[in-house]
Amino acid sequence: QKEVEQDPGPLSVPEGAIVSLNCTYSNSAFQYFMWYRQYSRKGPELLMYTYSSGNKEDGRFTAQVDKSSKYISLFIRDSQPSDSATYLCAMSANTGGFKTIFGAGTRLFVKA
Amino acid sequence: KAGVTQTPRYLIKTRGQQVTLSCSPISGHRSVSWYQQTPGQGLQFLFEYFSETQRNKGNFPGRFSGRQFSNSRSEMNVSTLELGDSALYLCASSLGESGNTIYFGEGSWLTVV
Repeated sequence: QKEVEQDPGPLSVPEGAIVSLNCTYSNSAFQYFMWYRQYSRKGPELLMYTYSSGNKEDGRFTAQVDKSSKYISLFIRDSQPSDSATYLCAMSANTGGFKTIFGAGTRLFVKA
Repeated sequence: KAGVTQTPRYLIKTRGQQVTLSCSPISGHRSVSWYQQTPGQGLQFLFEYFSETQRNKGNFPGRFSGRQFSNSRSEMNVSTLELGDSALYLCASSLGESGNTIYFGEGSWLTVV
């Protein structure tokens, strides 16, 4: 079983829709949670960073962490065609060395 | 502030050859991590260097190696290339403390023929 599970999609939505992207994990030591966006043939860029449980909002993006369920989510409101990309969840722990584990990435298509 | 710079961006090598990829981290960042990204396996952690020392290593064969210099710049080397080594190799830098976010370069696209 992988430490981080993420549905690779693809996920196709119409412009303006609310998008929900999710990851589950097995390592209860994870405390730092991140979402990256990766456009085709580009490196991943950091979108959201959350420490421990709770919500964090940045513009149209909201990140949620539920440590009791080992479940994290990224919501995109009013989705735009420019949001079409692969979204990767990532997480790291305070122990076991400095290593960030990534999900497989979800491919998102927003149709105009 | 300049981002993470990787060179070369694209390269084609023949099976059996070796390749060296270079990474310049964000100024002030002391940790450099390397990842391999393929369509089938996603982002796989190769290794991480901090202050010239390898601090973490992923599950890759010994053909994959790296090093970090005193100015924090890093190189990774793959010897005896195999077709399956064709991938996007990403370098990421951070301050190096637990919980610090990592920032990626644009990657080096390696094709092995």
